[in-house]
Amino acid sequence: RKEVEQDPGPFNVPEGATVAFNCTYSNSASQSFFWYRQDCRKEPKLLMSVYSSGNEDGRFTAQLNRASQYISLLIRDSKLSDSATYLCVALGGNFNKFYFGSGTKLNVKP
Amino acid sequence: DVKVTQSSRYLVKRTGEKVFLECVQDMDHENMFWYRQDPGLGLRLIYFSYDVKMKEKGDIPEGYSVSREKKERFSLILESASTNQTSMYLCASSLLTGGIYEQYFGPGTRLTVT
Repeated sequence: RKEVEQDPGPFNVPEGATVAFNCTYSNSASQSFFWYRQDCRKEPKLLMSVYSSGNEDGRFTAQLNRASQYISLLIRDSKLSDSATYLCVALGGNFNKFYFGSGTKLNVKP
Repeated sequence: DVKVTQSSRYLVKRTGEKVFLECVQDMDHENMFWYRQDPGLGLRLIYFSYDVKMKEKGDIPEGYSVSREKKERFSLILESASTNQTSMYLCASSLLTGGIYEQYFGPGTRLTVT
């Protein structure tokens, strides 16, 4: 079983839609969680960290449920420029092993 | 801004050649990582290092070695390149302590072995 599991998609949504991605992690000792965004043929870039209380950055909201070992990302009012692959990441308890999901592909259509 | 640089964006090598991929970070990060990324397989960890001269195997170390002689530089070595090592190679760095654990990536090296 993979350490971090994500629905690969693709999610095809119209501009302005709200879309949610989910991810589960298997290691209960994981300390920190992140969402990364990766554009085609580019490196992953940090989108946001995920905090226990949930956090918001503009149109993006991340939630963490430690009891269910579940992380989510909500994107409101989708833009064409949001089209990318979104990677869910868990950091292991020793702070130097990152576990990446395979990514969820988002296509925002006009 | 954290900057992670990689020596080449594109590289073409022949089977059997020894290949060196270099990575440099400028933020004094303790941790450095080498991944490869292939379609459908996601990011896979090859090796990582949490200090100078320290290294640990990741999930797919076979056919690779690494070197970390200075804190800012982490090299990946393909001892004898093979066609199944054609891939995108991504270097990354992160802090080990200090409360900010995000991982920062270099732009990647797309290696083709013919």
